[in-house]
Amino acid sequence: EVQLVESGGDLVQPGGSLRLSCEVSGFSFSSFWMTWVRQAPGKGLEWVAQIKPDGSEKYYVDSVKGRFTISRDNAKNSLHLQMNSLRAEDTAVYYCASGSYASYTWGQGTLVTVSS
Amino acid sequence: QTVVTQEPSLSVSPGGTVTLTCGLTSGSVSTRYYPGWYQQTPGQSPRTLIYNTDTRSSGVPDRFSGSILGSKAALTITGAQAHDESDYYCVLFMGGGIWVFGGGTKLTVL
Repeated sequence: EVQLVESGGDLVQPGGSLRLSCEVSGFSFSSFWMTWVRQAPGKGLEWVAQIKPDGSEKYYVDSVKGRFTISRDNAKNSLHLQMNSLRAEDTAVYYCASGSYASYTWGQGTLVTVSS
Repeated sequence: QTVVTQEPSLSVSPGGTVTLTCGLTSGSVSTRYYPGWYQQTPGQSPRTLIYNTDTRSSGVPDRFSGSILGSKAALTITGAQAHDESDYYCVLFMGGGIWVFGGGTKLTVL
């Protein structure tokens, strides 16, 4: 069974940092693009970042460029999102998702709250 | 900046057919945008219905189908059921490694 389990969400002050993780099992992690998608409270889905299977290419939505870094460890079947200089507008449930051509398998999400 | 557009809300009668669309504020959607469709009920993770325009995800009933209709991607639901009442999102590949979701359509079955 394919499973994606996010962790690391927390309450953090504006300007702070947080590192999200996604542990994957049940499929060949190293073969698939991995993506982070977020959803602010009461809002729609927003594509945030994605990383190529070998980690050689990374892409970000403009609003997080220079602040967020996506990475992966294929030996540990894990995906990460390092989030720095957090802002109130980064408050959201963050989902990790696997799959090429947006054929996403989704995790359950982890909540990030940015507030003083 | 090009925005991905969806109907904010739609309604369908039980057993009826409804088509949700996914367009662009500038230009037409084609298969080169690899459109995907997702269903989400409150408090739940999204569920992938369709990807790469018309490929149904595993376990998705054939009541759900994807296509290109005119200048937009489309998700058609036939034989609508009460539990189809959800939010539906599309996503498009904008090039340069970037994907963009639409704002979502709230579907009511009544």
